[in-house]
Amino acid sequence: NAGVTQTPKFQVLKTGQSMTLQCAQDMNHNSMYWYRQDPGMGLRLIYYSASEGTTDKGEVPNGYNVSRLNKREFSLRLESAAPSQTSVYFCASKRTAYSNQPQHFGDGTRLSIL
Amino acid sequence: EDQVTQSPEALRLQEGESSSLNCSYTVSGLRGLFWYRQDPGKGPEFLFTLYSAGEEKEKERLKATLTKKESFLHITAPKPEDSATYLCAVQALKQGGSEKLVFGKGTKLTVNP
Repeated sequence: NAGVTQTPKFQVLKTGQSMTLQCAQDMNHNSMYWYRQDPGMGLRLIYYSASEGTTDKGEVPNGYNVSRLNKREFSLRLESAAPSQTSVYFCASKRTAYSNQPQHFGDGTRLSIL
Repeated sequence: EDQVTQSPEALRLQEGESSSLNCSYTVSGLRGLFWYRQDPGKGPEFLFTLYSAGEEKEKERLKATLTKKESFLHITAPKPEDSATYLCAVQALKQGGSEKLVFGKGTKLTVNP
């Protein structure tokens, strides 16, 4: 049982390039989330999908787009990467949105933008 | 504004030396407080959820407690494998529901043999 799987694990981009980060969960969860983690800061929510077919902005959505491809998969796209987007990106899932159930995280994508 | 502050930022213990990590929070109605463990190069791993003041949860050498203003993660007789960064997060009770988890910056725990 893999839980939440993220690909790729590492990526280096040049400023202005585009990139899609992939996330898939096998726990039959309805809700999925994208976070970024930067040194000295807590995890910050970028976008989330409460259920298949819906997406909503989080705390730091600028420069990103998302797609909820199906119940299992939720992708994050950087259309024109900027150095400020250098970060570690985590995907998470939860059984039911708007509940106090815990979120379960993948192992992250480490993204460097030169 | 909802806030979570964890202290200390870093803690070094000798194997067997018990201690506590602190998570102070300000939130307009607490829906849940979560503790996670994060190992280097890995994602946060869920440990506990606490819902109301006075609640306690235990798992092996870890015990989490909750008051109206803070939570403690007590580590009893730690082992080197307990070394990790421990994250605290709160979910606020918002009208219409909220999906925002507010995370603290974490406490990096090192347990020396």
